[in-house]
Amino acid sequence: DQQVKQNSPSLSVQEGRISILNCDYTNSMFDYFLWYKKYPAEGPTFLISISSIKDKNEDGRFTVFLNKSAKHLSLHIVPSQPGDSAVYFCAASAASGTYKYIFGTGTRLKVLA
Amino acid sequence: DAGVIQSPRHEVTEMGQEVTLRCKPISGHNSLFWYRQTMMRGLELLIYFNNNVPIDDSGMPEDRFSAKMPNASFSTLKIQPSEPRDSAVYFCASSLGAKDEQFFGPGTRLTVL
Repeated sequence: DQQVKQNSPSLSVQEGRISILNCDYTNSMFDYFLWYKKYPAEGPTFLISISSIKDKNEDGRFTVFLNKSAKHLSLHIVPSQPGDSAVYFCAASAASGTYKYIFGTGTRLKVLA
Repeated sequence: DAGVIQSPRHEVTEMGQEVTLRCKPISGHNSLFWYRQTMMRGLELLIYFNNNVPIDDSGMPEDRFSAKMPNASFSTLKIQPSEPRDSAVYFCASSLGAKDEQFFGPGTRLTVL
């Protein structure tokens, strides 16, 4: 039973446009969320996180939005660049700063030049 | 500085054989994690070590899986006997402490025929 779901396995976006990656979760106890980025033949790397006390966190071109009532979060990349092409994993945990993250299945983003 | 090192990068074996995956965490990190990535389930935490001691092995799928951390700079994940459904990418990650950012290795792609 997937507690963290990324329903879009892939997404293609033109360079310069906005990329929106979505993630849904089922466990209302989750209060800390993260996004990881993974290039081929490499391990995932941390990208951005958000605590449930916030509804938005921004870091440069990357913004994560959290809608607790809908149990939904999204990652916005603006503007998208070809180097952003990677697999993006959403993860959640039930206690801020715990080691135990529940990951989604990932969304493969392709940014077209 | 070297990141998390995993070996081998690729392993192809036949059903029933023993498989050993190796990990060298980042020096100074006292937390180590083994994950498995599949298309259907995404990234799943298999086991977590803190100061070389297994703290949480609830994600280990079966008794065929075992993990050890004999010292702070080395860990192994063993599958005996291996089965085709064990085919996946196995990641090792380490962090300074349990609640700190996890740094992933490049992974070992395991194929069991």
